[in-house]
Amino acid sequence: NAGVTQTPKFRVLKTGQSMTLLCAQDMNHEYMYWYRQDPGMGLRLIHYSVGEGTTAKGEVPDGYNVSRLKKQNFLLGLESAAPSQTSVYFCASSYVNWDRANYGYTFGSGTRLTVV
Amino acid sequence: GESVGLHLPTLSVQEGDNSIINCAYSNSASDYFIWYKQESGKGPQFIIDIRSNMDKRQGQRVTVLLNKTVKHLSLQIAATQPGDSAVYFCAENPAGTALIFGKGTTLSVSS
Repeated sequence: NAGVTQTPKFRVLKTGQSMTLLCAQDMNHEYMYWYRQDPGMGLRLIHYSVGEGTTAKGEVPDGYNVSRLKKQNFLLGLESAAPSQTSVYFCASSYVNWDRANYGYTFGSGTRLTVV
Repeated sequence: GESVGLHLPTLSVQEGDNSIINCAYSNSASDYFIWYKQESGKGPQFIIDIRSNMDKRQGQRVTVLLNKTVKHLSLQIAATQPGDSAVYFCAENPAGTALIFGKGTTLSVSS
């Protein structure tokens, strides 16, 4: 099993350009997440989804949009990229058990985005 | 072994020493906690977890301790090896929501 796959791995954008990051998981997980990681800031939640067709805002949602049209895919869009969005982006997925804890939390290998 | 106070960003140890990495969590409603290891250029990888009804859990060379009274979590690595060099994150999980991550501690192991 591949687990969580992110594409692309690297990208350079000019300010104002748009792009979509793709996340795919093959573990049949209900929950999926997008995080960004900046030096000294740890992982911050951008948006997440608790099931197909649903999305919700996380800690730092501004400037990003997401869609979950299929259970296995979670897309992160930047409509008009800004230098402040230069970061490493991680996708993750999990399942929630009877006790409502997030189990099997699995991360992709990340997308390094630079906005110039 | 080496130990740190509450969240220092870096920890340097000698190969063979025991390492202790500390973490404070913020949400009293959190009932599930996880430690992750992140190597350079990779995504975080699961190390060990613990539920709030436990104080201690042991894995292979790793032990997690949970003190709910002071909302403190620690990761102990026995006989630290150069391959343990990485950034270590604690994460808390308030029921039904996404994981909340700490800022991470960089562990450097010298031989």
